[in-house]
Amino acid sequence: IVMTQTPLSLPVTLGQPASISCRSSQSLVHSDGNTYLSWLLQRPGQPLRLLIYKISNRFSGVPDRFSGSGAGTDFTLKISRVEAEDVGVYYCMQATQLKTFGQGTKVEIQ
Amino acid sequence: EVQLVESGGALVQPGGSLRLSCAASGFKFSDYWMSWVRQAPGKGLEWVANTNRDGSAQYYVDSVKGRFSISRDNTRNSLYLQMDSLRDEDTAVYLCARDGSGGYDLWGQGTPVTVSS
Repeated sequence: IVMTQTPLSLPVTLGQPASISCRSSQSLVHSDGNTYLSWLLQRPGQPLRLLIYKISNRFSGVPDRFSGSGAGTDFTLKISRVEAEDVGVYYCMQATQLKTFGQGTKVEIQ
Repeated sequence: EVQLVESGGALVQPGGSLRLSCAASGFKFSDYWMSWVRQAPGKGLEWVANTNRDGSAQYYVDSVKGRFSISRDNTRNSLYLQMDSLRDEDTAVYLCARDGSGGYDLWGQGTPVTVSS
């Protein structure tokens, strides 16, 4: 399964919303009924961090300004109001059929 | 502290071998599937391999099948990656990740592997 993220670079303004899209080459609905699409954040010098799992579930400790949505092959990560600590590279990842990642979206403050 | 710490990365010649380790602490290691993920310099993430809770099943990305072997020792809370017949394109930081109920919920910092003559 190929995961395609857009955009690959996202300049953002502090306090403003931001959105990243992720599209899969085939449906991510698993035979068990779940859709294993997650979002991760990689900040320089820090371990990767799980933000969202199974499309829209926020992982423990993740601020509620992060939200995930979508279904089937099209998914979106939204940040309601960008903060300085949100800078980094965001990856979508599917775990429905083995595991593959999107190319990454670099979010930086403009 | 709940953490994963990788080790074993090094500079190795093409065709050589290397064994990576990942030490888990702060959680019940045997309750989780575990994975190796790699990141080539300046590139994105690539899933390499994973194994189930007792190590009886292993899965690999096509590019490493027959060359890499993932294993675990639940008595030592450790995950391993044996890498043989290494190629230039295997150069990357290798990351250990815990497979939670919905995604990779714990990551190590990674260990660098450089394949070069």
